[in-house]
Amino acid sequence: KAGVTQTPRYLIKTRGQQVTLSCSPISGHRSVSWYQQTPGQGLQFLFEYFSETQRNKGNFPGRFSGRQFSNSRSEMNVSTLELGDSALYLCASSQGDRTYEQYFGPGTRLTVT
Amino acid sequence: GQQVMQIPQYQHVQEGEDFTTYCNSSTTLSNIQWYKQRPGGHPVFLIQLVKSGEVKKQKRLTFQFGEAKKNSSLHITATQTTDVGTYFCAGRDGGATNKLIFGTGTLLAVQP
Repeated sequence: KAGVTQTPRYLIKTRGQQVTLSCSPISGHRSVSWYQQTPGQGLQFLFEYFSETQRNKGNFPGRFSGRQFSNSRSEMNVSTLELGDSALYLCASSQGDRTYEQYFGPGTRLTVT
Repeated sequence: GQQVMQIPQYQHVQEGEDFTTYCNSSTTLSNIQWYKQRPGGHPVFLIQLVKSGEVKKQKRLTFQFGEAKKNSSLHITATQTTDVGTYFCAGRDGGATNKLIFGTGTLLAVQP
């Protein structure tokens, strides 16, 4: 099976712009979670989607949003970018039941200047 | 909110020495998972523990889940340079939110 794919892999944006990141889960996986990883804060949970519904949300401002499509692909959007949004954004998919492990994609490295 | 802390943050060992990282949750967990992230890579699932007091082994790696299901540990025997990376625990609180919260991670450096 193909692994989790994320596009784009690298992105440079300017403060105030918005950005959309995409994640394609492993075939058959219905759950997609997003994480922000920075050197200082580690892995911070953003959201979890299951069957197009947001099942959980982390403690991030409303500028961070996401959605999941009927084919389980997911996107996350960050509006009005700030310098502090520079990070590695990781997407992870799982079969759906919360006892299953998560498979991470390679991530999107976002740099905000 | 739920917090998962790991200690130490960083450990530097000589190849062949043992290594242990500890994970502590502020709340009781329904299960705990361990992941390894190599430098420049993404987290990769290692194992999941579910039962109170559970111990699992994978070759040189031993994982334990505490009796109260609030802490866990990963012990590596006779480290090798291939063990280099950051080890994360991740726990689900089993409550209404059931979020998977990652620990702060332990970066392991192994000197040959």
